[in-house]
Amino acid sequence: GENVEQHPSTLSVQEGDSAVIKCTYSDSASNYFPWYKQELGKGPQLIIDIRSNVGEKKDQRIAVTLNKTAKHFSLHITETQPEDSAVYFCAARPYGQNFVFGPGTRLSVLP
Amino acid sequence: EAGVAQSPRYKIIEKRQSVAFWCNPISGHATLYWYQQILGQGPKLLIQFQNNGVVDDSQLPKDRFSAERLKGVDSTLKIQPAKLEDSAVYLCASSLGGIGPANYGYTFGSGTRLTVV
Repeated sequence: GENVEQHPSTLSVQEGDSAVIKCTYSDSASNYFPWYKQELGKGPQLIIDIRSNVGEKKDQRIAVTLNKTAKHFSLHITETQPEDSAVYFCAARPYGQNFVFGPGTRLSVLP
Repeated sequence: EAGVAQSPRYKIIEKRQSVAFWCNPISGHATLYWYQQILGQGPKLLIQFQNNGVVDDSQLPKDRFSAERLKGVDSTLKIQPAKLEDSAVYLCASSLGGIGPANYGYTFGSGTRLTVV
């Protein structure tokens, strides 16, 4: 079955700097890759997603890149702000199956 | 639109006791999921419903966990008897369902934090 790895497990950046979180997946049949942000005491919230027929997608300060050949995708956050501090999860979904989530990255944005 | 509602928010029980969680999905969402999130880990799927039928319960510990979705709307997840390792956040999510990435997006509830002592 699908296996998703995520790095780093924790990440601290200065406010205004960029943050990058990387995920790898194992199943070449995966065709949808969402990123979720989870704040303390809340459920995960979808922040951006990418489909396998697209290499990059951007939404304001957030971007996701996908390399299907290498089976990895990355989340890029520019101009980080304190409210970006949270746990971020990547996930992969093989066609016809359910999501498999990565273990999460705790991002801390230091003022 | 209203989000996914879950209750209770917190629950503390002793091992071997039973507990039940409730979820009300977004109106019109045919697919409902229950996930277990152990501290420091990503969510793990327990069970998926499509309307009121079970689609995937391969990772549900059926000797102690049960779930139902009567009338294809609300759902309850029950644990009986609870073990210490069941301490986790139980998340409910819903989606439109259907084929294709356009229907893949999940909306999660805030979860129920269960502590088994």
